[in-house]
Amino acid sequence: EAQVTQNPRYLITVTGKKLTVTCSQNMNHEYMSWYRQDPGLGLRQIYYSMNVEVTDKGDVPEGYKVSRKEKRNFPLILESPSPNQTSLYFCASSPKSQGMNEQFFGPGTRLTVL
Amino acid sequence: EDQVTQSPEALRLQEGESSSLNCSYTVSGLRGLFWYRQDPGKGPEFLFTLYSAGEEKEKERLKATLTKKESFLHITAPKPEDSATYLCAPPLWLIFGAGTRLAVHP
Repeated sequence: EAQVTQNPRYLITVTGKKLTVTCSQNMNHEYMSWYRQDPGLGLRQIYYSMNVEVTDKGDVPEGYKVSRKEKRNFPLILESPSPNQTSLYFCASSPKSQGMNEQFFGPGTRLTVL
Repeated sequence: EDQVTQSPEALRLQEGESSSLNCSYTVSGLRGLFWYRQDPGKGPEFLFTLYSAGEEKEKERLKATLTKKESFLHITAPKPEDSATYLCAPPLWLIFGAGTRLAVHP
């Protein structure tokens, strides 16, 4: 089944404790991205990647890191999480980075930073 | 600053009561728009791509239209299973609208 998977689905952590949220897609998509979703603010893009070893900042990149060493994986790293990073996070992928292609979203990771 | 505004924030309809959702954006120099549906606890699911002003797309009870500055999602004779949050996004995917929460009651 074609899908985007994220792990963990739920995570409660404390301020300053480094964490990684994994994202994997099995559709051989070039483009992958991370979003956070907060009530009343909609989805905001954190980082995106147009292909392996190519990443760039989205709308709200501060406090986050990403890497794209393999085409299928795009982990999101929070080196020193803070309470304002408590949010619902989505990973997404798309066949191409150019043009009007739809994105496929993962099931989400709900992160709470105490 | 680029902005995407959706209205209303929430909409309650009776089954069979048609209505429209609005999406307007101020992202300059871009054409086209995406519509997504999001069910509680799940990731957004793609509905439509509108490429240019004047274009229309239909899927079951949903019809999306696009002008130069805004888009409408028309829902005709909705059913309870249409209850969800509907999101719009301009090209480049940097931002999505906050969405319209639709509740359709029997």
